[in-house]
Amino acid sequence: EAGVAQSPRYKIIEKRQSVAFWCNPISGHATLYWYQQILGQGPKLLIQFQNNGVVDDSQLPKDRFSAERLKGVDSTLKIQPAKLEDSAVYLCASLIAGGPNEQFFGPGTRLTVL
Amino acid sequence: KQEVTQIPAALSVPEGENLVLNCSFTDSAIYNLQWFRQDPGKGLTSLLLIQSSQREQTSGRLNASLDKSSGRSTLYIAASQPGDSATYLCAVRPRNFNKFYFGSGTKLNVKP
Repeated sequence: EAGVAQSPRYKIIEKRQSVAFWCNPISGHATLYWYQQILGQGPKLLIQFQNNGVVDDSQLPKDRFSAERLKGVDSTLKIQPAKLEDSAVYLCASLIAGGPNEQFFGPGTRLTVL
Repeated sequence: KQEVTQIPAALSVPEGENLVLNCSFTDSAIYNLQWFRQDPGKGLTSLLLIQSSQREQTSGRLNASLDKSSGRSTLYIAASQPGDSATYLCAVRPRNFNKFYFGSGTKLNVKP
């Protein structure tokens, strides 16, 4: 089975610019997560979707970050405007509802904000 | 709120040595615990998943144990190899929430 796909793999932008990341989860996985991983730290949950509905976005900086999951499949995470402290790896993960609750991760997008 | 801690932050061992990585969590009401491996610049690869009703899981040279009452899990790696060099992370899913809390990881270096 195909894994979680993410693009782009790398992105370098200037502060105050905008950027968008894309994630395609494993087919049939209803739950999708976006994480932010700063160098040397564990992943921090930004937002959780169940199908196309938001379950938890309590740690999403909503003044600059937004995410959507149209049709309950692909998802997009956007940052506008970016700050220096947004430099991190953005990871997407999915899991199948009702299963063993094992997360599967994509390769991540490394964002550098200059 | 669940807090997950991994100690040590870094570990360097000679090839062939058996080693143990530690993961501790503050709330014992968990649904499962998952161990991951992360290579530099890569995403997370799932190694082992332990459900709350289980005490351990094994895959090849890896063995993960879970003691909910003490809030601890260990990942045992037998006969370590240079290819095992990576960062190892544990993640805990609370019983009542479908979200995961991660430790900061242990960076392992296995010297040839």
